[in-house]
Amino acid sequence: QLQLQESGPGLVKPSETLSLTCTVSGGSISSTSYYWGWIRQPPGKGLEWIGTIYYSGSTYYNPSLKSRVTISVDTSKNQFSLKLSSVTAADTAVYYCARHKGPVEMATLGYWGQGTLVTVSS
Amino acid sequence: DIQMTQSPSSLSASVGGRVTITCQASQDINNYLNWYQLKPGKAPKLLIYDASNLETGVPSRFSGSGSGTEFSFTISSLQPEDIATYYCQQYDNLLLTFGGGTKVEIK
Repeated sequence: QLQLQESGPGLVKPSETLSLTCTVSGGSISSTSYYWGWIRQPPGKGLEWIGTIYYSGSTYYNPSLKSRVTISVDTSKNQFSLKLSSVTAADTAVYYCARHKGPVEMATLGYWGQGTLVTVSS
Repeated sequence: DIQMTQSPSSLSASVGGRVTITCQASQDINNYLNWYQLKPGKAPKLLIYDASNLETGVPSRFSGSGSGTEFSFTISSLQPEDIATYYCQQYDNLLLTFGGGTKVEIK
């Protein structure tokens, strides 16, 4: 059973960089042609797709966040990571990692982690 | 970019009642329309993909329909465990966009 678990600091100061890691178990990031993504949900608001990385390293970002986002993959650790720079209070949210549903398709988010709350505050 | 308009934003229905949520896309999305269930503290769950396909293991009381720009999601017989917020999501041109969500409660 594929499982994803987000980890990282729960509190980040304004203007600093938010860094989260998603650890994948029950399957290998590098062994199959899947996409891996990050999504967030600010308190009381809806879901927002942040970006996605293909197992080979190609990345796709939400244009509204593209200038501040970097997603990378570490196949040796079976993890992928999110970095969001120059954060403000508006970046306070529950951050989810997910695997897209099928191989070589990016349209659907099939498996999700439980999410981790990141608060931006001094 | 394609905008997704989901309605209603909240609803209440009786146990055993029928629930319908709609999602309208600002342009044709070729049936790349998915529905998710979110419960606090739990991993979001894919229920319906490609507008009308039931994800494996999802109860058959959940269904989706529609094409082009108009889509709907139905719970045929609401159960207490269905209390959650539901989101539609579209995919187009390497971009995923979600609807605003519908909070479903028991009347």
